[in-house]
Amino acid sequence: AQTVTQSQPEMSVQEAETVTLSCTYDTSESDYYLFWYKQPPSRQMILVIRQEAYKQQNATENRFSVNFQKAAKSFSLKISDSQLGDAAMYFCAYRAPQGGSEKLVFGKGTKLTVNP
Amino acid sequence: SAVISQKPSRDICQRGTSLTIQCQVDSQVTMMFWYRQQPGQSLTLIATANQGSEATYESGFVIDKFPISRPNLTFSTLTVSNMSPEDSSIYLCSVKGPNSGANVLTFGAGSRLTVL
Repeated sequence: AQTVTQSQPEMSVQEAETVTLSCTYDTSESDYYLFWYKQPPSRQMILVIRQEAYKQQNATENRFSVNFQKAAKSFSLKISDSQLGDAAMYFCAYRAPQGGSEKLVFGKGTKLTVNP
Repeated sequence: SAVISQKPSRDICQRGTSLTIQCQVDSQVTMMFWYRQQPGQSLTLIATANQGSEATYESGFVIDKFPISRPNLTFSTLTVSNMSPEDSSIYLCSVKGPNSGANVLTFGAGSRLTVL
């Protein structure tokens, strides 16, 4: 079974600084999808960024970027120029390839605190 | 992306009672998913609800405890039956978003249940 591991239960960063959240996963598939979701205190799960495993180029969305290392099964999230609104729980998630299970397998999450 | 409305937003329930959570989507979707997030934990898939067929439950979840209805392509309900304090969780509805990509799940804001 696929598993997703987030080894940092909590992280903190100074406003305007950069922080990297770690995620590793285990799968025997060669094609799959990876996601980072953000959950602020409002509970709403918000998609931050996604990566298709067949793409070698790392995904980027404004201040958010990933370091996808397929061989190492690593998928870290970098947040640049951190803002107070970035404070939230961040979940890394895995999804099987098209035609397989539609479910997302989540890591346990990393709580990010942004200090002013 | 799809807009999901969940009701109730939160509720406090007595042990032994049942509660039905509603999930309304502003567009037609094939698959709807119900996740549980226990306090301080990650999200775990309960079941997948397809219109016109029985829901598919994940290991550890049974229909008698979590009956699901899916009467049409925009609506689903999850019932938490014979509740105990261990059922205190956030229950989230999600769908594959038609506009944000077939491989991306959009989530509702969740329903926070507290069982006394």
